[in-house]
Amino acid sequence: EPEVTQTPSHQVTQMGQEVILRCVPISNHLYFYWYRQILGQKVEFLVSFYNNEISEKSEIFDDQFSVERPDGSNFTLKIRSTKLEDSAMYFCASSEALHTVSADTQYFGPGTRLTVL
Amino acid sequence: QKEVEQNSGPLSVPEGAIASLNCTYSDRVSQSFFWYRQYSGKSPELIMSIYSNGDKEDGRFTAQLNKASQYVSLLIRDSQPSDSATYLCAVSSGANNLFFGTGTRLTVIP
Repeated sequence: EPEVTQTPSHQVTQMGQEVILRCVPISNHLYFYWYRQILGQKVEFLVSFYNNEISEKSEIFDDQFSVERPDGSNFTLKIRSTKLEDSAMYFCASSEALHTVSADTQYFGPGTRLTVL
Repeated sequence: QKEVEQNSGPLSVPEGAIASLNCTYSDRVSQSFFWYRQYSGKSPELIMSIYSNGDKEDGRFTAQLNKASQYVSLLIRDSQPSDSATYLCAVSSGANNLFFGTGTRLTVIP
């Protein structure tokens, strides 16, 4: 069964460093998302991406964050200058379509645990 | 601010019993509703989606939606210890971004 994959599974970085989190969405999906979950808190939307541009972003997704689809398979989240409060699980998700019964279902990758020291 | 509210639990039920999980949401234009299961340290795993008022059954799981009351629920019949997890209610509207509740932690006691 197709699945979303993410690398690395765990990333440790020093405050102020740049990190890139990588995702490979399900191959026939057109919509891609990043979410984060701080330990013990709820899953929060960061950004959605379609047709090589950002569709929507949350207040969390400030100028320190960027997303890119550098090729036909990868979808990346970059954090330019990490802060302690960026420590969280970051989940990538993808869906086939929007506003279509079942096709708008988002499937999540296993996540990347980011630890900022 | 779009809110999704869930009772955080923990909810404990004996093996074989019915577990009932509830969720309310604030955005009246919400169109799609999802239940995800999340084991500790893992990612959300889809259990069910529901789009129209009424009940939707899939195996031991039944989702119920009442848009007038802005309420969605999940029933788990014949609960098993492997069902012990946190259950996340998620709601989307317009741009398809998911808004999650804080989750209800379910423990099924053997």
